[in-house]
Amino acid sequence: DTEVTQTPKHLVMGMTNKKSLKCEQHMGHRAMYWYKQKAKKPPELMFVYSYEKLSINESVPSRFSPECPNSSLLNLHLHALQPEDSALYLCASSQENRGTEAFFGQGTRLTVV
Amino acid sequence: GENVEQHPSTLSVQEGDSAVIKCTYSDSASNYFPWYKQELGKRPQLIIDIRSNVGEKKDQRIAVTLNKTAKHFSLHITETQPEDSAVYFCAASRSGVTGGGNKLTFGTGTQLKVEL
Repeated sequence: DTEVTQTPKHLVMGMTNKKSLKCEQHMGHRAMYWYKQKAKKPPELMFVYSYEKLSINESVPSRFSPECPNSSLLNLHLHALQPEDSALYLCASSQENRGTEAFFGQGTRLTVV
Repeated sequence: GENVEQHPSTLSVQEGDSAVIKCTYSDSASNYFPWYKQELGKRPQLIIDIRSNVGEKKDQRIAVTLNKTAKHFSLHITETQPEDSAVYFCAASRSGVTGGGNKLTFGTGTQLKVEL
């Protein structure tokens, strides 16, 4: 199984809503990532988890709150988002060692209204 | 931090021709350089990668070259086909740091169009 599964595929939320994005992998990877991708732009790293601990936060606003409940799951909790946060949110995972492939999920297309 | 530049931003070729995309990176400690292909509305997928101890790697119609001294690497696609049309991203990372995961910095992307 080389799949990273993200749910939901599409999400529309208001600026006062609270929602969560979910990501799951069963490849035994101990590093998991959240990326944000705007149209016609490259993915931008948001967070890195290594062995279920947050290791990198790329100065992401606190309205985005990551969580790694176990080695297979990664969540991104969303609260009080702005319309400019509308984007494709990609989850990825990789082995926790030197220079290994990152596998991406299909993403959640988020629209903030 | 790492900065990756990618050129060209768009590339049109005739079917059967070759395509070359070039990237430069700034952090001499970067040691892993993957290339991702992203079709419209789909996830980025790894097509080839190279590590800093290797100068060239080939996989069928796709090859990547790395020049560590000049800090640049290139993707070469030969005998292009319409299904090669997509956005291609280069990336660089300095992985292997304990607890750091594999932090990828992406180039700005190249829209490749293969015309019949």
